Amino acid sequence: GENVEQHPSTLSVQEGDSAVIKCTYSDSASNYFPWYKQELGKRPQLIIDIRSNVGEKKDQRIAVTLNKTAKHFSLHITETQPEDSAVYFCAASIWEDSNYQLIWGAGTKLIIKP
Amino acid sequence: DVKVTQSSRYLVKRTGEKVFLECVQDMDHENMFWYRQDPGLGLRLIYFSYDVKMKEKGDIPEGYSVSREKKERFSLILESASTNQTSMYLCASSLGPSYEQFFGPGTRLTVL
Repeated sequence: GENVEQHPSTLSVQEGDSAVIKCTYSDSASNYFPWYKQELGKRPQLIIDIRSNVGEKKDQRIAVTLNKTAKHFSLHITETQPEDSAVYFCAASIWEDSNYQLIWGAGTKLIIKP
Repeated sequence: DVKVTQSSRYLVKRTGEKVFLECVQDMDHENMFWYRQDPGLGLRLIYFSYDVKMKEKGDIPEGYSVSREKKERFSLILESASTNQTSMYLCASSLGPSYEQFFGPGTRLTVL
């Protein structure tokens, strides 16, 4: 079946540095790619998403890039802060059995070192 | 503000018991989802529903069933709970297929 691979599983960066999380997907028809952040003990929340008709999207310190040819997309966080510590999940849309679904990556635990 | 609530934050059940997990959303969303979250495995889709009385299997439906009698409520049922169903269960709802999913707080189920 279709899948989404997410790397790395854990990322530790110094406060103020940048963090990059990468995901690859297998379904060439995927056209929607959201990123969710889950802080410890809390529910996942959407932080940014991108659709296949654009290559990059920014929101303050967060950006997502999409390379449809290579079938990968990345989350970039600049000037990291302690509150960025969380687990981040990527996802990609697929059509399966006439139904639209999201396939999720396994998550990246981001640790911001003071 | 979208609000998705789940009936319990923590639940402890015994092997073989029938377990009901309920999810309610207040934003008139068509789509509702049940996920299971285990460390290192991300979010795995159990069942989803795009309309009242409609249900579709996700990636790991075995051992689970669902019910959606009303638009705002989506129930997950474990017919005969087993220890390997010990997990965090998350419900979500969304306006449509490629729109933001709003998650509930989760139910941590322990099956002894």
